[in-house]
Formats: sequence, structure tokens, C-alpha cells
Amino acid sequence: QQQVKQSPQSLIVQKGGISIINCAYENTAFDYFPWYQQFPGKGPALLIAIRPDVSEKKEGRFTISFNKSAKQFSLHIMDSQPGDSATYFCAASYSGTYKYIFGTGTRLKVLA
Amino acid sequence: DAGVIQSPRHEVTEMGQEVTLRCKPISGHNSLFWYRQTMMRGLELLIYFNNNVPIDDSGMPEDRFSAKMPNASFSTLKIQPSEPRDSAVYFCASSPDSSRASPLHFGNGTRLTVT
Repeated sequence: QQQVKQSPQSLIVQKGGISIINCAYENTAFDYFPWYQQFPGKGPALLIAIRPDVSEKKEGRFTISFNKSAKQFSLHIMDSQPGDSATYFCAASYSGTYKYIFGTGTRLKVLA
Repeated sequence: DAGVIQSPRHEVTEMGQEVTLRCKPISGHNSLFWYRQTMMRGLELLIYFNNNVPIDDSGMPEDRFSAKMPNASFSTLKIQPSEPRDSAVYFCASSPDSSRASPLHFGNGTRLTVT
């Protein structure tokens, strides 16, 4: 019940295309869903995050879509660029805890 | 904001040797985490400190691993003796608020290789 299932494991997208990464969770107590972006040799960096009181959050080319009833959330990268090539992790946490449950990661490659 | 600073960036050591990893969290953050990242197991939480006090060390794999936080600006993770299966990237992360879910700020990690 503490798992966050992430898919796909890897993704190849043409420049200008849309990248979509999906995550699903079981624990309905989760109330914070961040996405992290990790470049080789670097630590994960917070990209965008959402709380379940909204169904969508957009920051530039990055959008989180959240479906509370389905217990799923996804990251959409519009107009994908080669510089977006990185590993993306979804995560889930809940208030009053320090624990984050991370997905297994998606390695995105955007072709020029 | 200098971010979370970890040292060394790379460490290569022989089996049986002691290894010490260091971390300086972001000033003002009261939560500090040590994570380990491997291809097989992903990101694993090793230990969590709040206000310099270890709160949860259930992720520390064995007694060979120990962590300290003597003050708000410094933490160490020690492995003694090290083994080849300890090879991984070790991340330190800090967070400003432990009372509610808030973003983790990761350092750039220490890549440990034990031969």
C-alpha cells in the first residue's frame, strides 16, 4: 500500500513532442505529490508538485494531472526539448510524516 | 543559497576500509535525510534527522552504517567496514519543515565504489 508505481521505465520522444509519465498509488492518505528531475551526476531536483485539492497544475511546459478517484497522477512535458533528457521520479508523501515514497524512475530521452 | 553540499563527490576504497561521507544542509532547514540510490533498489531512505536528532534509522542496512549530526550545519554517514555491496550513490537532502510534506533539497551525491 506504500508503493508508488511509475511507468514507463524509459521513454524516447522527438523534439517538440509531448512526454507523458504516469504514476499510481494506493494509500489515500498521501496528500503531496512531487516530481523530481535528475540529470546524470546530479541529485534529484524538485520540478513541480501538486496537492490533491486541485486536478491540474502547470508550470511552463510542465503539467501535473491528478485523478484522485483513480489514484493516479501524471507528468506532461509539452514541446519536449533535448535539454529535458533526464530521469524523472514521481513521489508521494503525507502531512505529519517525513517519509517520501519514490517511484522507480523514468529515463527520458528527447531526440534532436 | 548554496544548496546542500556533499563531500567527497567520488570515493573509491577497498573492502574493509572505513568510509566517511559528509553533508552540509541548507541553512535554516531542520530536517536532514540520507538516501542511497542504486539501479536495483532506487532511492532508499537510510536515516532521518530532525533538529539534529536521529528520528528514524530503520533504513540503515547494518550495524556497519552509522550517522551523526553534531550540529545544524553538518552531518556524516560512516561505513565501517565497507563492502563491495555498499557501492552506490549516497545523497544527503534537507527540508525546511518536518510538520508537513515539503520539498526535499538534494545534494549532488557521493558516488562510492568499494573494490
